[in-house]
Amino acid sequence: NAGVMQNPRHLVRRRGQEARLRCSPMKGHSHVYWYRQLPEEGLKFMVYLQKENIIDESGMPKERFSAEFPKEGPSILRIQQVVRGDSAAYFCASSPGTGHSYEQYFGPGTRLTVT
Amino acid sequence: GESVGLHLPTLSVQEGDNSIINCAYSNSASDYFIWYKQESGKGPQFIIDIRSNMDKRQGQRVTVLLNKTVKHLSLQIAATQPGDSAVYFCAENAGGTSYGKLTFGQGTILTVHP
Repeated sequence: NAGVMQNPRHLVRRRGQEARLRCSPMKGHSHVYWYRQLPEEGLKFMVYLQKENIIDESGMPKERFSAEFPKEGPSILRIQQVVRGDSAAYFCASSPGTGHSYEQYFGPGTRLTVT
Repeated sequence: GESVGLHLPTLSVQEGDNSIINCAYSNSASDYFIWYKQESGKGPQFIIDIRSNMDKRQGQRVTVLLNKTVKHLSLQIAATQPGDSAVYFCAENAGGTSYGKLTFGQGTILTVHP
């Protein structure tokens, strides 16, 4: 049973370009979370999605950032017009979403570097 | 405000010793706590969790203690091994939701010397 998959593992973008980060949850999981981790800091919640629905995006910057989790395919975190401050590790986690299930399984992360 | 923090940013121990990593939280509404281990270049790995209606929970070589009176959480690792070297994060679910909107602490670097 494959774990949470994220790609690419490393992404380099110039300022002003777009970054697309992909996350495939564990098999049977329909809930996805995105977190951002700056160097030497803990993870910060960004957004929580279920299939075709954004449930909680309270941690997402108001501009340039968007997320989706379509009916088919991976969840996508999209950052438009990247700036140097967007450089970070972005982690996706999934959970089965049944009942009060807080346990989340994390992917290996995408390390975004903006030059 | 809602925050989770750690007392010690680094901890060095000898192989075979017991390790204790501490965490303070400020949100008394938090109902669920988790410890994660993160190795360099990898995502956080679940270690153990505890709900707010419990004081103690044991796993394999690990024990989590929760003191709600002083809002303190600790992770005890018995017979620490070099493979335990990593950054350890505590995280809390602030409550009020049926999903895991986790708030992470800053992290403690554990180094185990052979």
